[in-house]
Amino acid sequence: KAGVTQTPRYLIKTRGQQVTLSCSPISGHRSVSWYQQTPGQGLQFLFEYFSETQRNKGNFPGRFSGRQFSNSRSEMNVSTLELGDSALYLCASSLKREIGDTQYFGPGTRLTVL
Amino acid sequence: TQLLEQSPQFLSIQEGENLTVYCNSSSVFSSLQWYRQEPGEGPVLLVTVVTGGEVKKLKRLTFQFGDARKDSSLHITAAQPGDTGLYLCAGFNAGNMLTFGGGTRLMVKP
Repeated sequence: KAGVTQTPRYLIKTRGQQVTLSCSPISGHRSVSWYQQTPGQGLQFLFEYFSETQRNKGNFPGRFSGRQFSNSRSEMNVSTLELGDSALYLCASSLKREIGDTQYFGPGTRLTVL
Repeated sequence: TQLLEQSPQFLSIQEGENLTVYCNSSSVFSSLQWYRQEPGEGPVLLVTVVTGGEVKKLKRLTFQFGDARKDSSLHITAAQPGDTGLYLCAGFNAGNMLTFGGGTRLMVKP
C-alpha cells in the first residue's frame, strides 16, 4: 500500500507570494490533517479535513487555508507569504481520525520564504 | 492552550547506554502518543497509551503513561545508533486535536 505523498517536496517563494501544497492520503483514508513544523515552535496543528469538511482548525491566521476533494486528496494554501512561514509542512492521513487513530505522515514539503 | 513539555531537548549518548525522555503537562489528555522522526521524513507512530498507569513495551523501548494522564516517559535500554532521531510526544485533547511536545533530539554514537 502506497504511503502518504506530498508535492512538491521543496519550494522556494518570496514574501507576498502565495503557495499551494498538495497531499495524497493512503488509499481508503478519509481524514487528512496538516501540520507546520519549525525549529522554534515545533509541530503545530493547522487543520483537519474529513469527507471534504474541515473538522478542526488550529490557531493560525486566515492566510492559511485548505480543502479536501472527493477523492480525499487535500491541498493547503498560504497567501501573502511571510518570512516566518518558512517551515516543513506535514500532512497526515488516517482512516477516520478518531481519538487514538493512527496517523500516517508524509515526508513533508519544505517551504522557504525569501 | 494545552502544552506538552519534553525533556531533555537534546541527548547525546554512547551505544549501549540507557536513557529516559520525559513528556509533561499540566493538562489531562485522553490518550498520548510517541513518534520518532528521522531527517527528511515525517514522524512515525511508535505507541499510543490510553489508560493512566499503562506501561507498554516495544522491544528495547518502554513507554509509561502517568496515573493522572498528564505525563509520560519513554525509556530506551541499551541504545543503538539506529535509535538516533527526533522523539515526539503528542496528546489528544477533548477536541480530538493532537498537541505535540517540542521534541527530544537523540544521538547515539557507536
